[in-house]
Amino acid sequence: QKEVEQNSGPLSVPEGAIASLNCTYSDRGSQSFFWYRQYSGKSPELIMFIYSNGDKEDGRFTAQLNKASQYVSLLIRDSQPSDSATYLCAVLSGGSYIPTFGRGTSLIVHP
Amino acid sequence: NAGVMQNPRHLVRRRGQEARLRCSPMKGHSHVYWYRQLPEEGLKFMVYLQKENIIDESGMPKERFSAEFPKEGPSILRIQQVVRGDSAAYFCASSGAEGSTDTQYFGPGTRLTVL
Repeated sequence: QKEVEQNSGPLSVPEGAIASLNCTYSDRGSQSFFWYRQYSGKSPELIMFIYSNGDKEDGRFTAQLNKASQYVSLLIRDSQPSDSATYLCAVLSGGSYIPTFGRGTSLIVHP
Repeated sequence: NAGVMQNPRHLVRRRGQEARLRCSPMKGHSHVYWYRQLPEEGLKFMVYLQKENIIDESGMPKERFSAEFPKEGPSILRIQQVVRGDSAAYFCASSGAEGSTDTQYFGPGTRLTVL
């Protein structure tokens, strides 16, 4: 059973701070990792994907992958109230085409 | 709009009726995935289709649920004899190619309410 775990939160951070969202996964054969943002009542929106160990930066977002420790994280710099949403981690195993989604972490950025 | 399209956005059915949910993938994509999301829960995979083929339906309930992706037209998720427990958001995602690294893009979803 492939599992993807996320703290449900809510994670509350002040505007301008760094928000750190974490995700752990059970399948060591996992190869592709995705972060989606989902606003309440809306559909998941892809933010970033990462395949290799290390950091990947895109604007205010940085994804960090550590395959040895089986975790992937998402850092949001200079957090804005508009970043308040649920963030879903998705993990895809090698040879598979169906990602396993975590239940998401709720982020609240307060002014 | 070249994104994933779903309709209707909201659907209300009475118990025992049929629900039909439609999904048109992103332009250039030929792979369609259906997910269900209950309130306060994660996304649950239901079925993966390519044109005229069901590739993986391991997440689909054995009864009342069916899916198709015909050669022409949108993919359809059909729920027969709906029950209140079917009330959920149903999302369709598409990807461009088969492969372990391909990214899925989601449509806006259909919110099904069963009275």
